Order: sequence, then structure tokens, then C-alpha cells
Amino acid sequence: NAGVMQNPRHLVRRRGQEARLRCSPMKGHSHVYWYRQLPEEGLKFMVYLQKENIIDESGMPKERFSAEFPKEGPSILRIQQVVRGDSAAYFCASSPRQGSDTQYFGPGTRLTVL
Amino acid sequence: GENVEQHPSTLSVQEGDSAVIKCTYSDSASNYFPWYKQELGKRPQLIIDIRSNVGEKKDQRIAVTLNKTAKHFSLHITETQPEDSAVYFCAAPGGGTYKYIFGTGTRLKVLA
Repeated sequence: NAGVMQNPRHLVRRRGQEARLRCSPMKGHSHVYWYRQLPEEGLKFMVYLQKENIIDESGMPKERFSAEFPKEGPSILRIQQVVRGDSAAYFCASSPRQGSDTQYFGPGTRLTVL
Repeated sequence: GENVEQHPSTLSVQEGDSAVIKCTYSDSASNYFPWYKQELGKRPQLIIDIRSNVGEKKDQRIAVTLNKTAKHFSLHITETQPEDSAVYFCAAPGGGTYKYIFGTGTRLKVLA
């Protein structure tokens, strides 16, 4: 059973460009969580999605950030018009059902904004 | 809002000694408490977890204790080894939707 997959692992963007981060949950998992980790800091919750639904986006900035988890395909975190402050590691995690608390993390995407 | 505090922020121990990391949480509805280990540039890896219906759980050299009344939980590592060196994060679900609120992390260094 493959673990949580994320791609790309490293992404470099110039200010003003768009960044698209992808997350494929573990097989059988229908719940996806995105977290952001700034250098030398802890992980901060951004958004929680189920298939075709955003359940909680309270940690995601209202502007420039969006997330989706379509019926088919990976979950995508999209950052428009990136700024230097968006440079961070973005991790997604998945769990099999809402009643299952354990979240398994992917390897992360390290975004660098030049 | 929900908050998880973690102490200490850094911890150095001699190989073979024990290490203890403590966390407190604010959301009394939290009922699941995982601990993650993160090595430099790697993903957080679950090392142990505990649910609110037990007070202690042990897995070889690692144990976690929970005091629900005081809203404290702690990670105990015995017989530390250099490969235990990493950043350790505690977490608790907040907001009723299983989103994790993470502690700020403890950088553990085991000196050979």
C-alpha cells in the first residue's frame, strides 16, 4: 500500500507566478489535510477536504490560496501570485474516515519563491 | 482558539539517558494525542499516539502519558540513541474536525 504521495517535491517560482501542489492520499483514504511549515517552525493547519467538499478552510488565507479534492485525481493546493512569504514546506496528510484520528503525512513540497 | 504548548524547545541528553517532552492543550474536547518525529528535510512520522480513555501507552523505548484533568500529555524516550536526534511534535485535534493543532516542536539532540 503506497503511502501519501506529493508532487512536486521541490518547486521554484518567481514572485507573481502560480504554484500548484498535488497530493494523492493513501489508497482507501478519503480525507485530506494540508499543513504549512515555515523554516524552523511547527506545522500549521490550512484546510481539510473530503472528496468534492471543503470541510474546514479556517487556516487558509482568504486571498490567493485555494484547494480542491475532486472526485477523481489528487487534491490540489493552488497559490496564485506567489510572494516570498509563501516559501515554506507544504505537507498533506490523509486519513481513512472522519472517525479515524490518525493522519499519515506525505513527503511534502518545498516551495521557494524567488 | 485551540492551543497546544510544548516544552522544552531544545533538549540535549547523553546517549543512554532519558528524554521527556511535555505538552498542554486547551480544547477539552480533544480525545486523541499523536506524537510525530521529523528529521531534517523529511516528513513528520507518527511514532506513538494515545487516546483519552487510557492514561499511558508504551512501545519499546517510547511511552506517552496523558492527564486529561490537567490537559497534559508527555513523551518519554528511554535509553536514547543518536538516531533519536530529531524534532518532535505533539498534536491534538481541534475544532471538532480532526484538524491537528501542533506544538511548536522540541529539537532533541542525543550526544554520543
